[in-house]
Amino acid sequence: ILNVEQSPQSLHVQEGDSTNFTCSFPSSNFYALHWYRWETAKSPEALFVMTLNGDEKKKGRISATLNTKEGYSYLYIKGSQPEDSATYLCAFMDSSYKLIFGSGTRLLVRP
Amino acid sequence: ETGVTQSPTHLIKTRGQQVTLRCSSQSGHNTVSWYQQALGQGPQFIFQYYREEENGRGNFPPRFSGLQFPNYSSELNVNALELDDSALYLCASSSGTSGSWYNEQFFGPGTRLTVL
Repeated sequence: ILNVEQSPQSLHVQEGDSTNFTCSFPSSNFYALHWYRWETAKSPEALFVMTLNGDEKKKGRISATLNTKEGYSYLYIKGSQPEDSATYLCAFMDSSYKLIFGSGTRLLVRP
Repeated sequence: ETGVTQSPTHLIKTRGQQVTLRCSSQSGHNTVSWYQQALGQGPQFIFQYYREEENGRGNFPPRFSGLQFPNYSSELNVNALELDDSALYLCASSSGTSGSWYNEQFFGPGTRLTVL
């Protein structure tokens, strides 16, 4: 059974703080790693799709790194803003092309 | 470009009944995936359709079935509903081809199913 773990489960930070989350996934049969942001009452929205070991992706204040050999990815948010409050989901894709999601990290940014 | 839409938004059924959920893919997308999200968990993969054929299935019993139509809209059917089927059901579309299944998925807002 493939397991994708995310930590922490939830995080409360002050506006302006930088923060990071971890996604752990199986290191075998890796195909891709997805990060999604899911705001309350909205649809999950793709942040990054990462496929190569050592990949680093950036979108504004959010960035992500990938280590497929050891099976982890980090998501960083620099200078958190209240609008960053959301659940951040990572999903592992192996050679069967199924996306296996973690349970998410719920971020709350206080003004 | 229209996004992914799902209907209905909410649905209440009783145990043993059957339900059909609908999804309209984003324009130009030929692949649709369905997920079940129970409270406190991440979405769980049910199955994926590519060009009207099932292209992968998660650990769900056969009473979960699907269809994809020539216009790439899709249905999820669940027979003999059980209380544990209460969840948010998400569909996601993507443009998949052999060698590029990793493409990002575009999610709909979900259908909240309650089974009493």
